[in-house]
Amino acid sequence: QVQLVQSGSEMREPGAAVKVSCKTSGYTFTSYAISWVRQAPGQGLEWMGWIGPYNGYTSYGEKFQDRVSMTADTSTGTAYMELRSLRSDDTAVYYCAREGLDLIAFDHWGQGTLVTVSS
Amino acid sequence: SYVLTQPPSVSVAPGQTAKLTCGGDNFGSKSVHWYQQKPGQAPVLVVYGHNDRPSGIPARFSASDSGNTATLTISRVEAGDEADYYCQVWNRNTDHRVFGGGTKLTVL
Repeated sequence: QVQLVQSGSEMREPGAAVKVSCKTSGYTFTSYAISWVRQAPGQGLEWMGWIGPYNGYTSYGEKFQDRVSMTADTSTGTAYMELRSLRSDDTAVYYCAREGLDLIAFDHWGQGTLVTVSS
Repeated sequence: SYVLTQPPSVSVAPGQTAKLTCGGDNFGSKSVHWYQQKPGQAPVLVVYGHNDRPSGIPARFSASDSGNTATLTISRVEAGDEADYYCQVWNRNTDHRVFGGGTKLTVL
C-alpha cells in the first residue's frame, strides 16, 4: 500500500533552518508529484510548493519562494523540504502529500511533522 | 492570487444533510477537490474531480459545482463526520495549488 512516512518533530531557534523528510513506499516514486502543505496551530491548510521527482522540477508558493527548497532522492524514494530563516510564525505541522496522476488532488498524505520555532 | 472562500462553520443534526460551500472565480474551468480532517490527523481526500470518491469513502459524500460555487454534500450525517473540511483547486495560470480556509462541521 502507498505510504508516506515523515521525519520526527523538530525545534529550532529563529533564524535557523529545518529540513523535513518524506519517505515513500508502495508506488513508483518518479511517477507522482509531491506537494508540501503546512498547518499552523488552529489554522487552515497552506500549500507551500511541489516537486516532480522524475526531473526535480519545483514550483513554490509566492510566500515561500525565497526561503524554501524542495528536493527528491530517487534512489531512496524520499522527498525533502528545507525552510530557512525560520520565524515564530513558521511554527506548524508540515505535511507531504502525493498528487494524483490525472487530477492535481492529494490522494495520500504523510502523518505530519511538527516544527516549533522558539528562542 | 486565487482565493477560495468557505464558511467557517456549519452545524447539522444527525441523519440530516450537510451542504458545505466553496466559492471561487471561474470554477467551470477548474476541478474542485474536498478533504476531511479530524483533530490531530492528516487530511483525507473524500471527493475529487467532478464527484469521484477514493475507495473507502462512502457514497454519502458527493460534490457538485454551479457557477462560482462548489458544494460538498454529506447525506445522512453521522457523529463521525464531525471534522474540518477543505476545498482545493489547481490554478493553471500559476501552477499553484490553493486551499479554501476550511469549514468546521459540527454534528449536533
